[in-house]
Amino acid sequence: DAGVTQSPTHLIKTRGQHVTLRCSPISGHKSVSWYQQVLGQGPQFIFQYYEKEERGRGNFPDRFSARQFPNYSSELNVNALLLGDSALYLCASSFQVFTEAFFGQGTRLTVV
Amino acid sequence: GENVEQHPSTLSVQEGDSAVIKCTYSDSASNYFPWYKQELGKRPQLIIDIRSNVGEKKDQRIAVTLNKTAKHFSLHITETQPEDSAVYFCAASFGAAGNKLTFGGGTRVLVKP
Repeated sequence: DAGVTQSPTHLIKTRGQHVTLRCSPISGHKSVSWYQQVLGQGPQFIFQYYEKEERGRGNFPDRFSARQFPNYSSELNVNALLLGDSALYLCASSFQVFTEAFFGQGTRLTVV
Repeated sequence: GENVEQHPSTLSVQEGDSAVIKCTYSDSASNYFPWYKQELGKRPQLIIDIRSNVGEKKDQRIAVTLNKTAKHFSLHITETQPEDSAVYFCAASFGAAGNKLTFGGGTRVLVKP
């Protein structure tokens, strides 16, 4: 029984570059949320998608965008990377919009 | 928006003792309160959750209590074991607003054998 899977697990990018992170939810789950976790802090909400529509957006700049595909997988895109974007990016899947959320192992992004 | 405060930031207990972590939230509309355990380098794992229509929930050695009037909720771990050592996060969300979880700052728990 596969859990939430994210790729890649680690990534190093240069300031100003663009990055795409991917997430596959638990089979049968239709909602995907993205969180940013800076070292030593709790995760911060970025986006939630349900049935391919954006259902929530956190306090992040427009450089952050996401989408959900017909198979419920999702991508998080970040443009014009800044050093401060270095963090663990977590994807969480849930069956519906407001049911229990289960996290993937995350993508560790380092911006140099 | 919602704000969640979590205390203490670190907690050291002797194996077999109890551990208590407390959280307060600001938005009285919040109605779902999960707790996550995160071991070093691993994903946050949901360990227990409670909804606002319940005052207490227990699962083996773990229990959560909710006081809606005071807007605080707590995690209780009894008979602690070394494998309970991890960072614990509380969170709150308003169900009708989706799964936008607002997390506390985390509590690093160390269980000393």
